[in-house]
Amino acid sequence: TQLLEQSPQFLSIQEGENLTVYCNSSSVFSSLQWYRQEPGEGPVLLVTVVTGGEVKKLKRLTFQFGDARKDSSLHITAAQPGDTGLYLCAGARAGTALIFGKGTTLSVSS
Amino acid sequence: DAMVIQNPRYQVTQFGKPVTLSCSQTLNHNVMYWYQQKSSQAPKLLFHYYDKDFNNEADTPDNFQSRRPNTSFCFLDIRSPGLGDAAMYLCATSRDTGGINGYTFGSGTRLTVV
Repeated sequence: TQLLEQSPQFLSIQEGENLTVYCNSSSVFSSLQWYRQEPGEGPVLLVTVVTGGEVKKLKRLTFQFGDARKDSSLHITAAQPGDTGLYLCAGARAGTALIFGKGTTLSVSS
Repeated sequence: DAMVIQNPRYQVTQFGKPVTLSCSQTLNHNVMYWYQQKSSQAPKLLFHYYDKDFNNEADTPDNFQSRRPNTSFCFLDIRSPGLGDAAMYLCATSRDTGGINGYTFGSGTRLTVV
């Protein structure tokens, strides 16, 4: 059973377009994290959201944690080729290792 | 800068020949993890150490072993690599198991089995 469902799995867009990636679960998490992984590298933490309803912005990226702390979204405004990569959401619960979603592979072409 | 370093970046091994991957950290984190990641998939947790306490995932094959001789180092041993073990192996650390502050990953070791 996949505890964290990410959608879409693949996304191919043109530079300048907007996009949203979703991460959904039936479980409550103490925090939700988003990572970006470039080919041949390890994932890099982008943001952690902790409070239900929390919104965090990182330049053109906006992250939201659901009110019930079961889901999250990542919105990218005016995507650029440098945004290309695998985006992973991960749920944290005390005493257990992070639970990763299957990831969204984003390709932005110029 | 505090970091997680994996060596080597690329490893080619023969089918059935034991191989060891290494990971070191300068973050002084309590927890170290080993993940296996196949092409464009999510990382799959193999096992983790909380200090010296080893925690194996139920579906990790016996072919995979790990050692953590001290806080800074952790090793992944594959006793008899098969073709299906070709993957990126990622080491990660965190202050606590819940990882509420996030994990720090190394750059990974790409393992090829020939």
